[in-house]
Amino acid sequence: AQKVTQAQTEISVVEKEDVTLDCVYETRDTTYYLFWYKQPPSGELVFLIRRNSFDEQNEISGRYSWNFQKSTSSFNFTITASQVVDSAVYFCALSEWGTGGFKTIFGAGTRLFVKA
Amino acid sequence: NAGVMQNPRHLVRRRGQEARLRCSPMKGHSHVYWYRQLPEEGLKFMVYLQKENIIDESGMPKERFSAEFPKEGPSILRIQQVVRGDSAAYFCASSPHGGQGPTYEQYFGPGTRLTVT
Repeated sequence: AQKVTQAQTEISVVEKEDVTLDCVYETRDTTYYLFWYKQPPSGELVFLIRRNSFDEQNEISGRYSWNFQKSTSSFNFTITASQVVDSAVYFCALSEWGTGGFKTIFGAGTRLFVKA
Repeated sequence: NAGVMQNPRHLVRRRGQEARLRCSPMKGHSHVYWYRQLPEEGLKFMVYLQKENIIDESGMPKERFSAEFPKEGPSILRIQQVVRGDSAAYFCASSPHGGQGPTYEQYFGPGTRLTVT
């Protein structure tokens, strides 16, 4: 069965610190997708990244980077030089083929506080 | 290109009333997903629909909840006889297709926050 674990419930850092949000997943499929979403205090969900199971290349986008390690079933997210605007809840999600299409399971989220 | 639209953004209902939540997918998207987010929790899958078809409703409570995605018009999530435990944010997402493909991803709407008093 699918499962996504975000062990860190809350993280608090001071601006300009680097911070890594952990995500560990479980799946029996060989084809699946991994996502990160940001939910700022306003409540909407903002898509950050999608990774498919065949692409283990790490990705960097500005201050954001993602480390996908199939050997440890992890898809960790690092924010470099954090800013107050990064304060949000971050969700890791896993999609695998289910009844009629892909089904997405979300982790419980990690709440990040960035203090000025 | 407008994103996924949900309305209303906030909905207040008294116990026992009905709640109707609407979702208009992105243009060209024919697959809709509904998720529920209880306070301080992650999103939980409820139902996946294509036009005029429910594909997967394994996450829907067996009673009081129903969803549809008609040929014309938005997808509707309907909650009958609401109870306090239904208070949550309900998110809709759409995708251009549900099968495997290089462009698969779900685009989320802003959510409807339902409060049952």
